[in-house]
Amino acid sequence: GAVVSQHPSRVICKSGTSVKIECRSLDFQATTMFWYRQFPKQSLMLMATSNEGSKATYEQGVEKDKFLINHASLTLSTLTVTSAHPEDSSFYICSASRRTEAFFGQGTRLTVV
Amino acid sequence: GEDVEQSLFLSVREGDSSVINCTYTDSSSTYLYWYKQEPGAGLQLLTYIFSNMDMKQDQRLTVLLNKKDKHLSLRIADTQTGDSAIYFCAESTSGTYKYIFGTGTRLKVLA
Repeated sequence: GAVVSQHPSRVICKSGTSVKIECRSLDFQATTMFWYRQFPKQSLMLMATSNEGSKATYEQGVEKDKFLINHASLTLSTLTVTSAHPEDSSFYICSASRRTEAFFGQGTRLTVV
Repeated sequence: GEDVEQSLFLSVREGDSSVINCTYTDSSSTYLYWYKQEPGAGLQLLTYIFSNMDMKQDQRLTVLLNKKDKHLSLRIADTQTGDSAIYFCAESTSGTYKYIFGTGTRLKVLA
């Protein structure tokens, strides 16, 4: 199957700093990518839809100024958590779709201290 | 809005069959998926089924879909300790790649 690579897999940052997470589709072009957040022992919640060359579409309740999404090319989307706080600590997963199937990155565990 | 529900926990003995259930509300769902997530890892697609099918079998996995009741199940035959993980069902609608995930079922396999 197709490969989606997410980087970094783990990151620890200080409160108030910003963190960038990358999502790359390695062997196909993805005009649309998705960012999910997973709280401990909970399901994945869709945060936003990242569209290549245009603004991301955010789900209700997700602060777009807090979670900046950039989809500058057909193989790369980035999620930047700005002015991170401990409550932003979570597991973030991206996905890229090809035909009828979504391929998921391995996830990024963000810990804000 | 769309909602996907699963039971939270399931415990089975090694060698037994496991059945994980899922219900969904969106009648326009076109594809239904089962994903496996091991601790600290991303999602692994196990199988998926089109909404116009009622059964799909893939080695030890059997998916049953009751579209009328909006009920999906995943049966794992001869469950092994390596099957211990969280299993998510998810649905999407044709023309979108937006997935709605269930709450996840934590499967524990006892030796």
